[in-house]
Amino acid sequence: GAGVSQSPRYKVAKRGQDVALRCDPISGHVSLFWYQQALGQGPEFLTYFQNEAQLDKSGLPSDRFFAERPEGSVSTLKIQRTQQEDSAVYLCASSQPGHRNEAFFGQGTRLTVV
Amino acid sequence: RKEVEQDPGPFNVPEGATVAFNCTYSNSASQSFFWYRQDCRKEPKLLMSVYSSGNEDGRFTAQLNRASQYISLLIRDSKLSDSATYLCVVTHLSNFGNEKLTFGTGTRLTIIP
Repeated sequence: GAGVSQSPRYKVAKRGQDVALRCDPISGHVSLFWYQQALGQGPEFLTYFQNEAQLDKSGLPSDRFFAERPEGSVSTLKIQRTQQEDSAVYLCASSQPGHRNEAFFGQGTRLTVV
Repeated sequence: RKEVEQDPGPFNVPEGATVAFNCTYSNSASQSFFWYRQDCRKEPKLLMSVYSSGNEDGRFTAQLNRASQYISLLIRDSKLSDSATYLCVVTHLSNFGNEKLTFGTGTRLTIIP
């Protein structure tokens, strides 16, 4: 596709509900990142994939957060038993190594846990 | 101490003025440096890379000082359309071998007519 696509754009979840957020990276991009951005803050790193391999998940805040990219393209970030503190914008970015490391971001999914 | 620190602002600047932002980073092994721009309720987009030699793109000038571990962005002749949040971004190689982008909190700029 032309850019990174994320869905849904907005999600309201009741506390305790599970959610799944989808990211379609730019076609052919090897690297995929997930970030969490709270209101008034910069994006905070969650996890990184190189193709289908999840090389770095050091930023996932708890074991309720799980990400996958089974075929090295589309990625899903799953949050189980959502809590109010999970409310944030979840940004996905993809990049191609060697291309000045520019990361292209999707528009994000705004998650509100009520 | 955060890995990348920025003055959050807000900076309210009259149109046509020059404005400068600084950013400091703590990891001396950092490899690449960028300024990203983020409009309200939009995703971050790359504004420009930052090099030790300094680089300029139209009204925008970025500078890196590795010895002091800070990065600057200068905007000349500011336009209303420059109103946005400017994010300082630093990369380093993680323990897992991937290049990891670390963002500052962002500096909010509003250009006043």
